[in-house]
Amino acid sequence: DQQVKQNSPSLSVQEGRISILNCDYTNSMFDYFLWYKKYPAEGPTFLISISSIKDKNEDGRFTVFLNKSAKHLSLHIVPSQPGDSAVYFCAASSNAGNMLTFGGGTRLMVKP
Amino acid sequence: EPEVTQTPSHQVTQMGQEVILRCVPISNHLYFYWYRQILGQKVEFLVSFYNNEISEKSEIFDDQFSVERPDGSNVTLKIRSTKLEDSAMYFCASSEQVSNQPQHFGDGTRLSIL
Repeated sequence: DQQVKQNSPSLSVQEGRISILNCDYTNSMFDYFLWYKKYPAEGPTFLISISSIKDKNEDGRFTVFLNKSAKHLSLHIVPSQPGDSAVYFCAASSNAGNMLTFGGGTRLMVKP
Repeated sequence: EPEVTQTPSHQVTQMGQEVILRCVPISNHLYFYWYRQILGQKVEFLVSFYNNEISEKSEIFDDQFSVERPDGSNVTLKIRSTKLEDSAMYFCASSEQVSNQPQHFGDGTRLSIL
């Protein structure tokens, strides 16, 4: 099942620079998208979400962009901090149901 | 900040035994979910639960699985006769509303079947 895909398993960024995490989806019924951060031995922590009626949502250092025509979303973190080092998952759902479909995750490492 | 709590954090069970995983959702949340993550694989949806009824379930959620809200606070996931392939992290989540609302996750129960 590859309905939500994160093509980069890992990303390394210098502290203070921008981190860009990408996510692609195939199901055109998806209309709500979320990003979660996960530390080892913890559950996914909700970061930010976006509805399909928008193309951008911002919350502090985190911005999510949605390109519906390309079925692509991205998470921008700026400036990146060492505490941002974690695995980031994108997830999607459709109004027809409430299940989340997750991508495989991208491990972000922010170097001091 | 309110959080979802799950117990136990780690459960070791013999194959064929029944296991019950417990979750206390965020108090004003009405929608409850179970997911699992097998080591090295994606997080997968199992079931959603609202008003004491299953509202959606995946193919994984077969007859050996059941979900209940035995009292006003706990939500449980029962696996009747565990198999080796049930070994995974099981996450509980809750949300206020069903659509366009984030689901908030607990820290999971690591289930190991021997």
